[in-house]
Amino acid sequence: NAGVMQNPRHLVRRRGQEARLRCSPMKGHSHVYWYRQLPEEGLKFMVYLQKENIIDESGMPKERFSAEFPKEGPSILRIQQVVRGDSAAYFCASSPPTSGGTYNEQFFGPGTRLTVL
Amino acid sequence: KQEVTQIPAALSVPEGENLVLNCSFTDSAIYNLQWFRQDPGKGLTSLLLIQSSQREQTSGRLNASLDKSSGRSTLYIAASQPGDSATYLCAPSGYSTLTFGKGTMLLVSP
Repeated sequence: NAGVMQNPRHLVRRRGQEARLRCSPMKGHSHVYWYRQLPEEGLKFMVYLQKENIIDESGMPKERFSAEFPKEGPSILRIQQVVRGDSAAYFCASSPPTSGGTYNEQFFGPGTRLTVL
Repeated sequence: KQEVTQIPAALSVPEGENLVLNCSFTDSAIYNLQWFRQDPGKGLTSLLLIQSSQREQTSGRLNASLDKSSGRSTLYIAASQPGDSATYLCAPSGYSTLTFGKGTMLLVSP
């Protein structure tokens, strides 16, 4: 069973360009989470999605950032008009469907390291 | 708002030592708590998951305890090895989100 896959692993963009980060969850997992790790800071939650639904986007910046998890294909985190402060490692995690209200372990991908020049 | 503190921030020990990493969190209304390790430039590897109803969880040389009411968790590493060198992250969970501390950077020297 392949783990969580993210691509690209490294992405370089100039200020004002768009960045698209992709995440394929583990097989059988229907929940996807995005986290951001800024230099010298801890990981911060951004958004939680299930297929075709955004469940919690409380950690997502209000402007320029969007996320989707379509019925088919990977989850996409999109950053429009990138600025230098967006330079960070972006991690995706996935978990299986919940059952009986129990919490399921999150499994993380290797991350995408975004550098904005 | 959940806040997580990990002590110490960094730890350097000789191989073979037993060690304890500490984690405290401000909101005790958690579902569960996960411990991860992160190697430089890499992703996170899940080490242990403690359900909120559990007091501890063991995997090999690792043992994690949870005292939900006092907002504390500890990760005990027995007989440390150079391969254990990494940053260890504690993350209590709300319904859908993990809140991370800044981690403890561990260096185990041969």
